[in-house]
Amino acid sequence: DAKTTQPPSMDCAEGRAANLPCNHSTISGNEYVYWYRQIHSQGPQYIIHGLKNNETNEMASLIITEDRKSSTLILPHATLRDTAVYYCIVRAAFYNQGGKLIFGQGTELSVKP
Amino acid sequence: KAGVTQTPRYLIKTRGQQVTLSCSPISGHRSVSWYQQTPGQGLQFLFEYFSETQRNKGNFPGRFSGRQFSNSRSEMNVSTLELGDSALYLCASSLRIGGTEAFFGQGTRLTVV
Repeated sequence: DAKTTQPPSMDCAEGRAANLPCNHSTISGNEYVYWYRQIHSQGPQYIIHGLKNNETNEMASLIITEDRKSSTLILPHATLRDTAVYYCIVRAAFYNQGGKLIFGQGTELSVKP
Repeated sequence: KAGVTQTPRYLIKTRGQQVTLSCSPISGHRSVSWYQQTPGQGLQFLFEYFSETQRNKGNFPGRFSGRQFSNSRSEMNVSTLELGDSALYLCASSLRIGGTEAFFGQGTRLTVV
């Protein structure tokens, strides 16, 4: 079973920031938080991941709470092309612990004009 | 550099037949994982290969099998196809098992009639 909980759907206005929450209250110290998104019928696309510090790349920012039990993915200026299902995944940090991704139901983000 | 390549993109098979799907990982990546996506079950992990060895397996019947070659390319096989095997089959590659991001191909859409 997935170790994360996400709202099933969210709306966001184009040009505004999209903040997608994720709860992972049972995360262990050797697990990362990963975010992927899937645009209809395409393969999931890697967005960002983090262990305990906040992370930022060209696509998004990831804010992880100090107790690591929840996180927020931020798309700073959402566009229509950001409409997708967003998956928050907890994954082993070390190579010898296996690399499988356990997907939950994700959050369906709709960016509206 | 080239992404993950899956062939074929679309496939129609008849119940009882078998099928082989192919995945070429990103150059330099040695780990390949396979996932099945259906509307009812979502994205589910099938198996994971590293250095030609299966390192992890999901909860699927023995009709689902796979292998990895010395050049890291991978194939998965489904024998005695059932209607319920109709799905999008996704391959993901990463540098190693765990601890790093995985990149997905566009998938093979299998329809069993």
